[in-house]
Amino acid sequence: AQSVTQLDSQVPVFEEAPVELRCNYSSSVSVYLFWYVQYPNQGLQLLLKYLSGSTLVKGINGFEAEFNKSQTSFHLRKPSVHISDTAEYFCAVITGDNYGQNFVFGPGTRLSVLP
Amino acid sequence: DAGITQSPRHKVTETGTPVTLRCHQTENHRYMYWYRQDPGHGLRLIHYSYGVKDTDKGEVSDGYSVSRSKTEDFLLTLESATSSQTSVYFCAIRGRANTEAFFGQGTRLTVV
Repeated sequence: AQSVTQLDSQVPVFEEAPVELRCNYSSSVSVYLFWYVQYPNQGLQLLLKYLSGSTLVKGINGFEAEFNKSQTSFHLRKPSVHISDTAEYFCAVITGDNYGQNFVFGPGTRLSVLP
Repeated sequence: DAGITQSPRHKVTETGTPVTLRCHQTENHRYMYWYRQDPGHGLRLIHYSYGVKDTDKGEVSDGYSVSRSKTEDFLLTLESATSSQTSVYFCAIRGRANTEAFFGQGTRLTVV
């Protein structure tokens, strides 16, 4: 079964510093990869997604992620974080054909941006 | 925002009582999902539906049942609530052509 690992459960970082949130998934023939963000007491919002093509994917709020097939990774990065980026971030993967796909989520990384 | 409404948003119930959570969509999307979110576990799939009256189990389906009699509604039932089912429940939808899922605002359920 597909699994997703987010090695860092919490990441504190100072405002305007760069950040990288790590995501690794178990290998599969073909995968779609996603990063979602969850602000307090809210649902999940899509940050970005990788379906195919360029391995560098740009998302909302200045985030980007790079798909690395050989390392089965999809790390999320932002060059300069803001206080408003404080939230929980989830990596997710779906596999297989388009029928009956289900998302598998990682355990999440809590990003805390400090002033 | 995608047209997803979860009700109720908050509920406190007693152990052993039945509870039904409702997910309503206005997008006419084919796929609907119920997840539970617990600290350290991320989101875990309870049940999903790929059409009216077509449902299947996820990884944590024990103690839960679902029904989908209309495209727009997906109901999650806890037949006899237990304290281990205290959690935040999220509904999600996905269209056949779209690959990402859209999430509702969540239902916080406390079983006492």
